[in-house]
Amino acid sequence: QLMLTQSPSASASLGDSVKLTCTLSSGHSDNAIAWYQQQPEKGPRFLMKLNSDGTHNKAGGIPGRFSGSSSGAERYLSISSLQSEDEADYYCQSWGADKMVFGGGTRLTVL
Amino acid sequence: QITLKESGPTLVKPTQTLTLTCTFSGFSLSTNGMGVGWIRQPPGRALEWLALIYWDDDKRYNPSLKRRLTVTKDTSKNQVVLSMTNVDPVDTATYYCAHMPLAWDLTFFDYWGQGALVTVSS
Repeated sequence: QLMLTQSPSASASLGDSVKLTCTLSSGHSDNAIAWYQQQPEKGPRFLMKLNSDGTHNKAGGIPGRFSGSSSGAERYLSISSLQSEDEADYYCQSWGADKMVFGGGTRLTVL
Repeated sequence: QITLKESGPTLVKPTQTLTLTCTFSGFSLSTNGMGVGWIRQPPGRALEWLALIYWDDDKRYNPSLKRRLTVTKDTSKNQVVLSMTNVDPVDTATYYCAHMPLAWDLTFFDYWGQGALVTVSS
């Protein structure tokens, strides 16, 4: 069955870059996913849709510092020039067998 | 500009039925390919998908909650209603509704409501 695995936490310093990972379960390595950002005390915000070939479509207004890439069953969200407002929870999401699945989320701390 | 807003009770007693309404603007749920979904988030925990209703009234539910959920739409009012029967304190969460755009390669949500916190307690 479709499952998405994310590391619970990540941290990086202000101005640095970070790469968050979402791993698709076996048999689903061709799935596209979506990335969402949830800042503290706010609702989720759609960031981008990311395909298995690494092509991605960002939502309007998402800075160029955010990008996506793929390798096999792994989907990545890269953030460069980290800013304080990037401190948030990041969720990946996919769809399979008529069911939507979210990853457990990664809490990003900007040091 | 697409907006969605959830409304409903903030406190529900165990075993009761929770009914939430999503009122939206900026799109029509009679448009081919569109959908509205419900997602919840218990305090301090991850997002959990609940249900999805499509423009053609097709519906999908989270299998683990399917027996307790019903989603309906009123296209003329631009509203989608979610009902959850026999609630329990573990159903305490912020409930979000969200817009599903037409996309051939992935079902996802591009606009979200602000969320409605529902507490289940006697």
